[in-house]
Amino acid sequence: DAGVTQSPTHLIKTRGQQVTLRCSPKSGHDTVSWYQQALGQGPQFIFQYYEEEERQRGNFPDRFSGHQFPNYSSELNVNALLLGDSALYLCASSSTQAGITDTQYFGPGTRLTVL
Amino acid sequence: AQSVAQPEDQVNVAEGNPLTVKCTYSVSGNPYLFWYVQYPNRGLQFLLKYITGDNLVKGSYGFEAEFNKSQTSFHLKKPSALVSDSALYFCAVRDRRGSTLGRLYFGRGTQLTVWP
Repeated sequence: DAGVTQSPTHLIKTRGQQVTLRCSPKSGHDTVSWYQQALGQGPQFIFQYYEEEERQRGNFPDRFSGHQFPNYSSELNVNALLLGDSALYLCASSSTQAGITDTQYFGPGTRLTVL
Repeated sequence: AQSVAQPEDQVNVAEGNPLTVKCTYSVSGNPYLFWYVQYPNRGLQFLLKYITGDNLVKGSYGFEAEFNKSQTSFHLKKPSALVSDSALYFCAVRDRRGSTLGRLYFGRGTQLTVWP
């Protein structure tokens, strides 16, 4: 059973560019959450997708946007990249079938470096 | 507002000795509590969670955690540390109220080093 997968593993961009990160949830999961983990910090919640809609959003600017596809996979898009966007971006999946007690399982992350 | 504190940036322990990684939380009402571990250049790996019931929760790889409501703490423990336990540990909390699609709030992490 494949776990959560993310692509690409690493990415280098320059300021002002746009980036798209991808995530495939664990089999049987229908909800995808995205987190940003800056160096030396804990993960910070960006947003969460369920039924192809953004259901919750953390304190991130509109430059951060996302999408969920009918197969439950998801994309995170970041426009007008800033140096401060350099971080490890983590995707987590969970199942609404299990309700609020369900565990979020994380992928290996995408390391984004903005130069 | 929900928040999680991990008061120790680093914990060092000799192999075979017991280990404790501390976590305190601030949340309205009763929370759901989680521990994750992160190895270098890897994502977060789930260790255990507290939902309800017995205050002592057992998880993966011999880890356990004790929920203390009066002290708002959820400390991670292991009776006998292994060198392979060396990693970055994160405590996280989810508000019990609200929708079923709860976000996690993480602490800053504690780097555990187990010396041979």
